[in-house]
This record gives sequence, C-alpha cells and structure tokens, in this order.
Amino acid sequence: AQSVSQHNHHVILSEAASLELGCNYSYGGTVNLFWYVQYPGQHLQLLLKYFSGDPLVKGIKGFEAEFIKSKFSFNLRKPSVQWSDTAEYFCAVILSNNNDMRFGAGTRLTVKP
Amino acid sequence: NAGVTQTPKFRVLKTGQSMTLLCAQDMNHEYMYWYRQDPGMGLRLIHYSVGEGTTAKGEVPDGYNVSRLKKQNFLLGLESAAPSQTSVYFCASALGRTEAFFGQGTRLTVV
Repeated sequence: AQSVSQHNHHVILSEAASLELGCNYSYGGTVNLFWYVQYPGQHLQLLLKYFSGDPLVKGIKGFEAEFIKSKFSFNLRKPSVQWSDTAEYFCAVILSNNNDMRFGAGTRLTVKP
Repeated sequence: NAGVTQTPKFRVLKTGQSMTLLCAQDMNHEYMYWYRQDPGMGLRLIHYSVGEGTTAKGEVPDGYNVSRLKKQNFLLGLESAAPSQTSVYFCASALGRTEAFFGQGTRLTVV
C-alpha cells in the first residue's frame, strides 16, 4: 500500500537555525511530490512541488526540497528559519498510476524567537 | 474568486444523526477530494472524484458517502454519525494530478 512517512513529529528550533524535514514514500514508480504548510487555524497551502526535471526545487518563503529517487525521499529544507515559519508541514504524493493525493502525518515546527 | 468554500464551518451532531458537508469550487477543477484531519495522523483521504459524476474511495471511506452531481460541487455525507467521526474535514480541488487548493475546513463534533 502506498504510504508517506514523515519521521519528525515535532521539531523545535531557534530563529536563524537551519531546517530539514524528512519525507519518504513507498512506491517504485513515477510520483508527483508536494510540500504543504498549515499555519495555526488555517487551511493547507502549497509550499512547493516536484513533477520532473531538476530534483532541487525552490518554493515560496525561502523553502526548497530535494528529490532523491534512489532513497524515495523528498526532504524539505530552509537555511534560516523565522518565528513566522511556526506551522505544521505536510508531505504529499500522487502516484503515476493513481489519482488520489496521500499525505504524511505531518511535522509540527515550532520556532522560538 | 472564492476558491474552495466549505459549508458549514462548525457543526455539532448527536450520535446517529445525519448530515451533509458541501464543498464548492469556482476554479473549474476536475479533481476534488475530501480529507479528515486528526491530531498525529495528518490528512487521511476519505473519498475523491476525478470528474463530474465519478467518485472513488480513499483510505478511510467507511461511514461516509459522496456525490459529484455538478462539477463545481462535492458533497460528503454522514448517514449515521459516530463519535469516531469527530474531526476537522477539509475539501480540496485540483486541475488534475497536480497541486490541490484547500477549503478552510469544517470542524465536526459528534456527541
């Protein structure tokens, strides 16, 4: 069965620290990959996406993610976090032979000022 | 341009009652999804639709039904609500197998 794993449940960082959130999926075929962010009390918004091409993709607010096919991973990174990045982050996958979008359990990021 | 609108935003049901959640999108999207969000479990797909008149089951379809009679609307029904269905429900729409746009959510409590 298709699954999306986010290993970090809660990450606490100080402002200006670097961030890396892990995302792995269990499927050997072609995938479309996404990172979404949910700020407190709000709905999900797209941070970035990967369909094909350059495996390093840049998104909004200084976030980037790297697709490593051999590791089935799509980790999210930011060089220097801000207090305003406090939110929950979700990785999502759509498989090439399917039409549904599946999400990981999410990682809650708390940035201390 | 409202995007994705969910109705209602909050609801309290008694066990055994029924209700319908409405999702409306004005972006002419083909794909629509219903998710539930529970603490520590992320978003779990309930049902989805890839076009008017089509629906398919997701990860957790039991206890829910859906209909997509019009392209812009995707209805989620609970025939006999149970406390286990207490959750926040999100609707989303997409052009295709691409990024989804989410509604603001419906907070449902079943007592």
